[in-house]
Amino acid sequence: GEDVEQSLFLSVREGDSSVINCTYTDSSSTYLYWYKQEPGAGLQLLTYIFSNMDMKQDQRLTVLLNKKDKHLSLRIADTQTGDSAIYFCAEGGGSQGNLIFGKGTKLSVKP
Amino acid sequence: DAMVIQNPRYQVTQFGKPVTLSCSQTLNHNVMYWYQQKSSQAPKLLFHYYDKDFNNEADTPDNFQSRRPNTSFCFLDIRSPGLGDAAMYLCATSRETRNAYNEQFFGPGTRLTVL
Repeated sequence: GEDVEQSLFLSVREGDSSVINCTYTDSSSTYLYWYKQEPGAGLQLLTYIFSNMDMKQDQRLTVLLNKKDKHLSLRIADTQTGDSAIYFCAEGGGSQGNLIFGKGTKLSVKP
Repeated sequence: DAMVIQNPRYQVTQFGKPVTLSCSQTLNHNVMYWYQQKSSQAPKLLFHYYDKDFNNEADTPDNFQSRRPNTSFCFLDIRSPGLGDAAMYLCATSRETRNAYNEQFFGPGTRLTVL
């Protein structure tokens, strides 16, 4: 069945880069997404990548996709304390149609 | 601003006492979803509506029901809440599902406590 795996925690210092990794299993996924969840709030789409791309850059965010290895990463440059949140990887557009989420990576940014 | 609204934000109920959570959207999206999210877990899809077409996930307990009386509103009914149903319930909307860009817009969630 489908599964999306992420490490649960990441801690970085303010100003450093953060890299959050994700692996997925559904090779038919059309789009892959990164959502951000701040405490007590719903999920908010950060960025996404279409499956025929291998990189997408959006200001401080860089998404890398290795379709062969089914590996997705999110790099946040110059990480700020306001980036502290839980980041969810999700695959979609595949055989099931709906989004399949990972368990989320809690990013802690130390001043 | 177009948005997804959930009421209430916090709900306390007693074991076995039916409870209804509500969601409304001003985005005029075709699809509405209900997710259950427990601490340190991925959001788990319970069901979704594509317009009036109801789609239940295979492992969603019968205790959970949903209604979508019109495009804007969707309700989650928990007929007999158990302690294991305490969670954050997230409503989301999107324009499309399969084989398409499927950005989902989430509400802030309702945190359900079962006493």
